[in-house]
Amino acid sequence: GDSVTQMEGPVTLSEEAFLTINCTYTATGYPSLFWYVQYPGEGLQLLLKATKADDKGSNKGFEATYRKETTSFHLEKGSVQVSDSAVYFCALKVAYGGSQGNLIFGKGTKLSVKP
Amino acid sequence: SAVISQKPSRDICQRGTSLTIQCQVDSQVTMMFWYRQQPGQSLTLIATANQGSEATYESGFVIDKFPISRPNLTFSTLTVSNMSPEDSSIYLCSVARGGLGTDTQYFGPGTRLTVL
Repeated sequence: GDSVTQMEGPVTLSEEAFLTINCTYTATGYPSLFWYVQYPGEGLQLLLKATKADDKGSNKGFEATYRKETTSFHLEKGSVQVSDSAVYFCALKVAYGGSQGNLIFGKGTKLSVKP
Repeated sequence: SAVISQKPSRDICQRGTSLTIQCQVDSQVTMMFWYRQQPGQSLTLIATANQGSEATYESGFVIDKFPISRPNLTFSTLTVSNMSPEDSSIYLCSVARGGLGTDTQYFGPGTRLTVL
């Protein structure tokens, strides 16, 4: 079945460091890919998305490129801030026939950024 | 995007009791989703609720334990019945916006439930 695998955390970085959180997927169809972020004590927020191969999603300095050849959607940021400390979830959704499909999440990666 | 509110935001309940969680969306949507996020875990879909029909439950979840109502296109409730400590989780309501295959799901702030 469809699944998402993301790198295990926690990840601890110093402020202004480069961030990569790896995400790979398995899907029988052509998924849309998402990164969600959950800040401490808050709900889940959509960070960025890409709906087809080679699309790049970007938001708040974060980027991820939909790579069909490597079935990956790695999250990157050039210079992290303390305020980026959160749990990041990679997710996919595949539409089958007339169905919207279900959102399938990875296990989440906790990022801590130290000043 | 979508503005989604949930009530209550958190609750502490006794074993054996039930809690009903409300979800309100700022505009009409066909499908609403209920998720569970157990401590330190990812999100798991409980059920999908379409207005005017029975909710569709995922494997491992049953209607008797998690009854869902969907009285109109902007509102849904999830009840956690006969609670045990294992039900301690964050429960999230979600809606989808956009076209088939390109839609995006938005989440409410969640209801943090602790069962003693």
